[in-house]
Amino acid sequence: DTGVSQDPRHKITKRGQNVTFRCDPISEHNRLYWYRQTLGQGPEFLTYFQNEAQLEKSRLLSDRFSAERPKGSFSTLEIQRTEQGDSAMYLCASSVTETQYFGPGTRLLVL
Amino acid sequence: AQTVTQSQPEMSVQEAETVTLSCTYDTSESDYYLFWYKQPPSRQMILVIRQEAYKQQNATENRFSVNFQKAAKSFSLKISDSQLGDAAMYFCAYSQGGSEKLVFGKGTKLTVNP
Repeated sequence: DTGVSQDPRHKITKRGQNVTFRCDPISEHNRLYWYRQTLGQGPEFLTYFQNEAQLEKSRLLSDRFSAERPKGSFSTLEIQRTEQGDSAMYLCASSVTETQYFGPGTRLLVL
Repeated sequence: AQTVTQSQPEMSVQEAETVTLSCTYDTSESDYYLFWYKQPPSRQMILVIRQEAYKQQNATENRFSVNFQKAAKSFSLKISDSQLGDAAMYFCAYSQGGSEKLVFGKGTKLTVNP
């Protein structure tokens, strides 16, 4: 068991392009969370899955953002038509109890 | 909505000394969890310590302990015998009901001086 993994670790894209991030949770963790962290701030909640069901979405998750968790395993977060304001660290966490374990994050830079 | 406030943007401590990081939160719920996470520079967030609101006893993990004051809605972290490896951003976080999202404070940057 190697913990939560995220891919890619870094992504540079041009404004208007689509990007997709992947998160692999700790095996047997049925809960998976996405957060966004901007410089100098704490992480902000984006969305939450229990198994394959997306149970909650933040108002931060505009219609350009979509997340999936097919078969309740890995999850993907896609951002369409990226904007410079989307530049941030995107963190994934998983849990089976109340304690969430975080991955290393994907740092996105939109030029 | 629940909020978490960390009033100390930066703190510093001498190696081997003790430091306390402050955190207050606002909630009307009675069932919740509180956490301290550590985020070293360019490294991932790791759990330091957690506290269940229904437990009166303060949580302790080796050199890390909390002072949980439920009525005052305060949850401070004490680091004893500080080590250079303790240097990091420390985030206080709240979770309602145990399976919900984490609400984070803005963090406290801790510097450990040799």
